[in-house]
Amino acid sequence: GAGVSQTPSNKVTEKGKYVELRCDPISGHTALYWYRQSLGQGPEFLIYFQGTGAADDSGLPNDRFFAVRPEGSVSTLKIQRTERGDSAVYLCASSFGGRRETQYFGPGTRLLVL
Amino acid sequence: GDSVTQMEGPVTLSEEAFLTINCTYTATGYPSLFWYVQYPGEGLQLLLKATKADDKGSNKGFEATYRKETTSFHLEKGSVQVSDSAVYFCAVEGGTYKYIFGTGTRLKVLA
Repeated sequence: GAGVSQTPSNKVTEKGKYVELRCDPISGHTALYWYRQSLGQGPEFLIYFQGTGAADDSGLPNDRFFAVRPEGSVSTLKIQRTERGDSAVYLCASSFGGRRETQYFGPGTRLLVL
Repeated sequence: GDSVTQMEGPVTLSEEAFLTINCTYTATGYPSLFWYVQYPGEGLQLLLKATKADDKGSNKGFEATYRKETTSFHLEKGSVQVSDSAVYFCAVEGGTYKYIFGTGTRLKVLA
């Protein structure tokens, strides 16, 4: 079946601009996660959705970052007033939602802020 | 909070050599443990997992055993191939649903 998909695969923007990154989870998965992977590092947790609500947003670095999942399926990560330090690969994952359920990752969106 | 420590790379091996990548974790309770692999130009793929003490996860010739007494989940393979060249990430899920990843270990296998 189809895996997690993310669009765009690459995004280049200028400092100060607004960007949106989209994630389409595996059908039937109620839980959705966003992570950020900087060069040479492991992924770092940003936010976790169970259904439509953000169950844990403790990893969002500041209030420039925001994510939504209005219908409990597709999610959008929004970054306002981008900074060069936001450049990274943004990964989305989904799972069936219970504890110990495996998270399946998408290919990521590579964001470059010039 | 939860944390993962992985051996630093890169690790360079000849084909058919034995592989060990060390991973230790800190977490309360009974976390689940994972190894993910990232091949060049591709996304993270689950390699194997274990959800309770003494469980052995295995896949594609790779194995890792959940050792609660040493808080470890070392990845092993008896005979590596060139196609195993990738970055390997150890991760722990300690009951908060979010995964905590190590920094990754790059493996390069030479023919």
